[in-house]
Amino acid sequence: DVKVTQSSRYLVKRTGEKVFLECVQDMDHENMFWYRQDPGLGLRLIYFSYDVKMKEKGDIPEGYSVSREKKERFSLILESASTNQTSMYLCASQEEGWVYGYTFGSGTRLTVV
Amino acid sequence: QQQVKQSPQSLIVQKGGISIINCAYENTAFDYFPWYQQFPGKGPALLIAIRPDVSEKKEGRFTISFNKSAKQFSLHIMDSQPGDSATYFCAASMEGAQKLVFGQGTRLTINP
Repeated sequence: DVKVTQSSRYLVKRTGEKVFLECVQDMDHENMFWYRQDPGLGLRLIYFSYDVKMKEKGDIPEGYSVSREKKERFSLILESASTNQTSMYLCASQEEGWVYGYTFGSGTRLTVV
Repeated sequence: QQQVKQSPQSLIVQKGGISIINCAYENTAFDYFPWYQQFPGKGPALLIAIRPDVSEKKEGRFTISFNKSAKQFSLHIMDSQPGDSATYFCAASMEGAQKLVFGQGTRLTINP
């Protein structure tokens, strides 16, 4: 089974801090995604990547950036954390051409105080 | 046009009953419609999916009904069990897009 591992289960950060959320997948998938999950809003796409060093904006990229230096690792960066970025962050990977095949990590619950 | 609207936001069903969650979309280019199930503390996991060339797909107690003309699809859980208590997300995608657009989620509780 594909495993998608998010490095932290819970994080508490202060307003203005630079925050790194890490995601690693072990199945050589081309595509990786970052979503945030908020009650009543579902899953909203922040950024995605189709290949190493490639990135594309999703629906809510403001305040975020990403890095994909290696195929297995996709990092989400909050340049200057704000309280409205308190949320559950979910990473997913997908084999290219297989739209059903999203595999999600368990999520990182980030609280910005 | 990229939205998928899901209802209800929360649902309580008695054990043995039928749980029904509905989704509607606007973009007629969507051609994949999966449902994801999420248990507390876990990421969503693919439950069942349908393409618009069929009106219904059944896997065990889970059935997707699809109405192309109405641009609606729904998840039916027959003989609902307490272990089905979870958050359910519908989603949609289109050929070549690969990324999924998710609904708002439904928190389902099955009372014993």
